[in-house]
Order: sequence, then C-alpha cells, then structure tokens
Amino acid sequence: GAVVSQHPSWVICKSGTSVKIECRSLDFQATTMFWYRQFPKQSLMLMATSNEGSKATYEQGVEKDKFLINHASLTLSTLTVTSAHPEDSSFYICSASFGGRDVDEQFFGPGTRLTVL
Amino acid sequence: GQNIDQPTEMTATEGAIVQINCTYQTSGFNGLFWYQQHAGEAPTFLSYNVLDGLEEKGRFSSFLSRSKGYSYLLLKELQMKDSASYLCAVVDSNYQLIWGAGTKLIIKP
Repeated sequence: GAVVSQHPSWVICKSGTSVKIECRSLDFQATTMFWYRQFPKQSLMLMATSNEGSKATYEQGVEKDKFLINHASLTLSTLTVTSAHPEDSSFYICSASFGGRDVDEQFFGPGTRLTVL
Repeated sequence: GQNIDQPTEMTATEGAIVQINCTYQTSGFNGLFWYQQHAGEAPTFLSYNVLDGLEEKGRFSSFLSRSKGYSYLLLKELQMKDSASYLCAVVDSNYQLIWGAGTKLIIKP
C-alpha cells in the first residue's frame, strides 16, 4: 500500500517551454503532498507543501510564479515549471502523506528527471 | 540555524556491519526519519524514532539519543544491494522535515 506515482519519469525540453509533472497517490488519499528538488550529490530540497483544495506553501527562495502547484484532488498534485531554463534541470520528487497527524511518514514518488536544453 | 550532519561517504565490505551517524541541531524535535535512496530513485522509508533507544527491524536498526542530538543507522550482514545513500531527516517544532545531505554507502565484495 501507499504507492505514489509520478509522470513523466523523465523529460527533455527546450529553454522557455513549460513542463507539467503529475504526482498521484494510487491507493490512498493524500491530504498533503510535497514537492522536492534534488541536484546531483545533494540532499532533498523542499520546494513547497500543498494541501488538497488550498494554495501551496512555498519555501523561501522558491518562485511561486515559476513553479506552479495545483492540488486539485486528494490523489493528484501537479507541478508546472514555467519558462524552464537550463538551471531548472534537476530531479523533481513528490511525496504524499495521509495527513491528520502531526508527524506523518512521507511516501515518495519515483521522481522526474528534467533536462532543459 | 538548523543543521543535520552526516558523513558524506562510507565504505564497507559485504557481510560486515556498518554504522551511519547523524547529529542534529534543530528548533525543537518531533522525531527522526531514516530513508534509503538508490541512485536515480526516490527515497524509501526505513525507520522513525521519537523516543530514546534502539529499534530493530530485520538487518537494519536505528538508535536515538535526544539529549545528545544523535542518531545512528546500523546495517548488519551487508549486501551489495545496500549500496545507496542514507538520508537522516528530523521533524522540528513546526513539524517541518529537515533533511541531511545523506551518506553514500559503498559496499565492496
């Protein structure tokens, strides 16, 4: 149980285009979803936290107009990288938790590798 | 500031035992997670400690000392598939997860 999927697994795009990444909780309802970015040989960097039906909470330094997050249902959250540039190339990982408790285990998706040319 | 320290890299031999340490200084403490991450993949949950002591789960054990701000992950009977990065993450007083940079574990035959 507690499976999270991401689509696509990898994407290559031209500079200036927008890319949408989907994160789905397949067998549970995720009250909260998290979006992370990970550069090579570095740890996870939390970008934003989203709760179903409300606006995402972005971490300091993350541009909310560039990284659009939508959490429209309890099983789906999307991250759109708008006007992507080569420096946005990274491994993007989502995670989901059941919510309702102070400390929740996060279940991670398999990640999306974005390469911007 | 908040800080999580782990060794960057460790090497061990197949069949042996290895201990990966994690020290933390955070604003409050509401538990500590250990995750395993294979290269190019997402992290997978290993353990969660909120009380002092050792918790054993098969070949993996996790220890916590809140007074010392210290935890370790103990891996026994190492297998080649245990080659991965091991991430320590602390839940602070705001229930935010603070991630360490991870320890890359290399297993040699």
